[in-house]
Amino acid sequence: GENVEQHPSTLSVQEGDSAVIKCTYSDSASNYFPWYKQELGKRPQLIIDIRSNVGEKKDQRIAVTLNKTAKHFSLHITETQPEDSAVYFCAAISGYSTLTFGKGTMLLVSP
Amino acid sequence: DAGVIQSPRHEVTEMGQEVTLRCKPISGHDYLFWYRQTMMRGLELLIYFNNNVPIDDSGMPEDRFSAKMPNASFSTLKIQPSEPRDSAVYFCASTGGISYEQYFGPGTRLTVT
Repeated sequence: GENVEQHPSTLSVQEGDSAVIKCTYSDSASNYFPWYKQELGKRPQLIIDIRSNVGEKKDQRIAVTLNKTAKHFSLHITETQPEDSAVYFCAAISGYSTLTFGKGTMLLVSP
Repeated sequence: DAGVIQSPRHEVTEMGQEVTLRCKPISGHDYLFWYRQTMMRGLELLIYFNNNVPIDDSGMPEDRFSAKMPNASFSTLKIQPSEPRDSAVYFCASTGGISYEQYFGPGTRLTVT
């Protein structure tokens, strides 16, 4: 089955800095890669996703890049703000609808 | 739509007791997923249903766990008997149509003492 590795497990940045979280996957047939944000005590919520026919996607301060050859994808957050502090999960589709999640990255943005 | 609904939001029970968690997916969604989240193991898929039929239950930890989906708007996850190591947050999620996006419920925080 699919295996998703996520790094780093924790990331501390100053407000205004950029943050980058990286994930690798094992199944070359995977074709959908979402990123979820989970605030403390809340549910995971989708913030951005990318399909395998696209190399990059941006949504305001958030961008995701995908390298299918190397089987890795990354989340980029620019101009970080304290409200960006949360746990971020990457995931990949294996099978039709089964998401395999990475272990998560705790992002802390200090004012 | 109210989103995915789960109940109860918190459950505290003693070891050996039966626990039943409930989920109502978003109307029209034909996939329903049960996840367990712990600090040690992260988000784990336990089982998922398509059109009320269990498709993959390989993530169910052991026979103490069972899940049902009697109709398109209701699913249960049952643990009998419960053990302290079952303490976790259990999420239900649903998706449907051509979108892969899974919508999560608020979760049930289970504590087994």
